[in-house]
Amino acid sequence: DAKTTQPPSMDCAEGRAANLPCNHSTISGNEYVYWYRQIHSQGPQYIIHGLKNNETNEMASLIITEDRKSSTLILPHATLRDTAVYYCIVRVSGNAGKSTFGDGTTLTVKP
Amino acid sequence: SAVISQKPSRDICQRGTSLTIQCQVDSQVTMMFWYRQQPGQSLTLIATANQGSEATYESGFVIDKFPISRPNLTFSTLTVSNMSPEDSSIYLCSVTTGGTEAFFGQGTRLTVV
Repeated sequence: DAKTTQPPSMDCAEGRAANLPCNHSTISGNEYVYWYRQIHSQGPQYIIHGLKNNETNEMASLIITEDRKSSTLILPHATLRDTAVYYCIVRVSGNAGKSTFGDGTTLTVKP
Repeated sequence: SAVISQKPSRDICQRGTSLTIQCQVDSQVTMMFWYRQQPGQSLTLIATANQGSEATYESGFVIDKFPISRPNLTFSTLTVSNMSPEDSSIYLCSVTTGGTEAFFGQGTRLTVV
């Protein structure tokens, strides 16, 4: 799996958009970008994934740069319950269970 | 999706003893995995639990320390053997259902004293 780099922590005001960046400059052509989050004392939760096109679901949007070397996870209207550690993972699609987790970004949503 | 139940949710164990953690899924799944999350750290994959055969361990993890069983497509166990305080971690079961997502249990918080 390609290595990813994320800022260790970020703050966001409640109701504002949270933009979490991830660098993956060594990503291969067949590797997807996945995002998970881990709320304190819980198991990781899948958020979204993409290959090269931008993706949106009910939880978030994923913006991948044209060269695919970086991406941004966007939580459009952050709430206090979005406070968690967010992990950006790069891997091939068919290897869903064998993920290499980095240190992630601790997002703190403040009132 | 898949609903994963892990037991126990937490335990405090004496050093030198062993603990078996159970992972039960509400549907048949393709793959099952075990992860460890040491205090303040990220997740590390321990092994892939293979149905009907020996588990596949990642570098740094061995069968004698972490024996794993997977008797069917919905159930797996992980045993942490001859425990020491360094084994204090959260142990997580993860499954895939053939799609591109992985689902995680809530974890077993183990403290070794």
